[in-house]
Amino acid sequence: KQEVTQIPAALSVPEGENLVLNCSFTDSAIYNLQWFRQDPGKGLTSLLLIQSSQREQTSGRLNASLDKSSGRSTLYIAASQPGDSATYLCAVRGGNYGGSQGNLIFGKGTKLSVKP
Amino acid sequence: DTEVTQTPKHLVMGMTNKKSLKCEQHMGHRAMYWYKQKAKKPPELMFVYSYEKLSINESVPSRFSPECPNSSLLNLHLHALQPEDSALYLCASSQGILRRSSNTGELFFGEGSRLTVL
Repeated sequence: KQEVTQIPAALSVPEGENLVLNCSFTDSAIYNLQWFRQDPGKGLTSLLLIQSSQREQTSGRLNASLDKSSGRSTLYIAASQPGDSATYLCAVRGGNYGGSQGNLIFGKGTKLSVKP
Repeated sequence: DTEVTQTPKHLVMGMTNKKSLKCEQHMGHRAMYWYKQKAKKPPELMFVYSYEKLSINESVPSRFSPECPNSSLLNLHLHALQPEDSALYLCASSQGILRRSSNTGELFFGEGSRLTVL
């Protein structure tokens, strides 16, 4: 059974700092890995999607990497801003779980606080 | 347009009420999902519809009844709910069959419907 773990559970940094959020998963047979952002009481915003054949994806100040063999992904945020404060969720999708659509398995998230 | 629209944003209902949550997408996606999220927890899958047919039911109590009237719409009918069913209900959509090379499998979520059961 796939399990997704995110470390740390919470992180507080001063504005301008570069930071890394970690995600690990137990079964490397994934279809893709997706990073989401969630603001309090809101829905999930997709940040980056990495296919199983890819090693990294970049969007603006965000860079996500994937190492399937070690079961790890990192989300790198450059030059953090107070507006980056949110909970960041990592989710992996397997092609073999839960029927033809494959269930999305979420980690518990990292709550990021960027102080001005 | 990568938008999934959910209505209502907030819903308060008594345990004897019948209400519905609605979800709509116009991205041509053929898979739609309902997730339930309790405070400080990750989303938990409830149902998956694939090509308007229910393909996954994660042992959800029958007081939750999903419906997919067409490829753009997904409803969640609520009846005789319990206070512990209070949560954020999230709808998501994605392209159809995963094994097609053009399908990234990316999920797009709506803003959610905040449900409070009194």
